[in-house]
Amino acid sequence: DSGVTQTPKHLITATGQRVTLRCSPRSGDLSVYWYQQSLDQGLQFLIQYYNGEERAKGNILERFSAQQFPDLHSELNLSSLELGDSALYFCASSEGGAVSAHYEQYFGPGTRLTVT
Amino acid sequence: AQTVTQSQPEMSVQEAETVTLSCTYDTSESDYYLFWYKQPPSRQMILVIRQEAYKQQNATENRFSVNFQKAAKSFSLKISDSQLGDAAMYFCAYRHQRNTGNQFYFGTGTSLTVIP
Repeated sequence: DSGVTQTPKHLITATGQRVTLRCSPRSGDLSVYWYQQSLDQGLQFLIQYYNGEERAKGNILERFSAQQFPDLHSELNLSSLELGDSALYFCASSEGGAVSAHYEQYFGPGTRLTVT
Repeated sequence: AQTVTQSQPEMSVQEAETVTLSCTYDTSESDYYLFWYKQPPSRQMILVIRQEAYKQQNATENRFSVNFQKAAKSFSLKISDSQLGDAAMYFCAYRHQRNTGNQFYFGTGTSLTVIP
């Protein structure tokens, strides 16, 4: 158990809908990262938050947005969903945010999103 | 942008034997970190080993060791005395040491099969 929690574990929704994925980082971790893993693909970095502020942005679609709250949990909002958005969405956390030591990322169990 | 390449989509190894998974990366940075993550069928991402670029000594974690060749930008993972539980997808990841976020870049993964 990495200490990172994600809810829900599974989500099935229809095209055009909007969903919110939630992530709670490990205790003490200030950074949260979101990744998308499509079927049989590697992980695509979406976005990073550090202590409530956006720190780095990857290949995140405009239909997607995220935020990190004062209690450090994070939410990833996916809107106008398309079939191609079906994927496993991982949240990871790390202690540091920028210039830091070997702050490896600890991954949550993921949320499997199915868009029908 | 940094790229991480895993040229072996699939590998197999006999139980108790040794296998090496390859990874190369492209970067202009001098300070960075490299990681190997394991993703078993449960899809949980598990950190296997990490290497700091400034360290010449190769990292070792029990049966797992790396061969880090900085000049060649190569970072291979050696698994000794392979066990059935080692069967998983293995991802190589790169993280730069920079004051603009510590985004990870992942390779496309190598699927390892362990033959009893």
